[in-house]
Amino acid sequence: QLQLQESGPGLVKPSETLSLTCTVSGGSISSSTYYWGWIRQPPGKGLEWIGTIYYSGTTYYSPSLKSRVTISVDTSKNQFSLKLSSVTAADTAVYYCARHGAICSGVTCYFEYWGLGTPVTVSS
Amino acid sequence: EIVLTQSPGTLSLSPGERATLSCRASQSVSTYLAWYQQRPGQAPRLVIYDASNRATGIPARIRGSGSGTDFILTISSLEPEDFAVYYCQQRSNWPYTFGQGTKLEL
Repeated sequence: QLQLQESGPGLVKPSETLSLTCTVSGGSISSSTYYWGWIRQPPGKGLEWIGTIYYSGTTYYSPSLKSRVTISVDTSKNQFSLKLSSVTAADTAVYYCARHGAICSGVTCYFEYWGLGTPVTVSS
Repeated sequence: EIVLTQSPGTLSLSPGERATLSCRASQSVSTYLAWYQQRPGQAPRLVIYDASNRATGIPARIRGSGSGTDFILTISSLEPEDFAVYYCQQRSNWPYTFGQGTKLEL
């Protein structure tokens, strides 16, 4: 059974860089079939897609966050990571990692597997 | 960017009643639309994919329909575990986008 686990600091100071890692178990991040994505959810609000990476390193980013986001992949560790620079209080959220399909059909094309989420607070 | 608009924002119903949730896209997404259920404190769970297909383990009382720009999620007879927030999401175009959610409450 595929599992994803987010990890990283729960508190980040304003203007600093938020860094999170998603560790994948029960499957290979190097599969050509899947993308690996980050989604966030501010307190009491809806879901926002941040960006997605393919095992080759190809990335797709939300236009609203593109200038501050970097997503990278480490296939040797079966992990992918998120960096969000120049954070403000508006970046306070639960951050989820999830898998979705690249070469896919049906259910695998969507965010089928999610991590439990990790809360990040931006505060001095 | 494709904008997904969900309505209503909140739907207050009782167990046994029928729920109808709407998702409208700013341009056609064909049938590349999913619905997710999120209970408090939990990660979202995929319930419907490609507009009308139930994900594994989703009961038959939950049904999706629609294509193009207008989509409906119907729960025919509400069970206590159905009360949650529901989000639609499109994968037709990058950037992937979510609707703002509909809260289904008792």
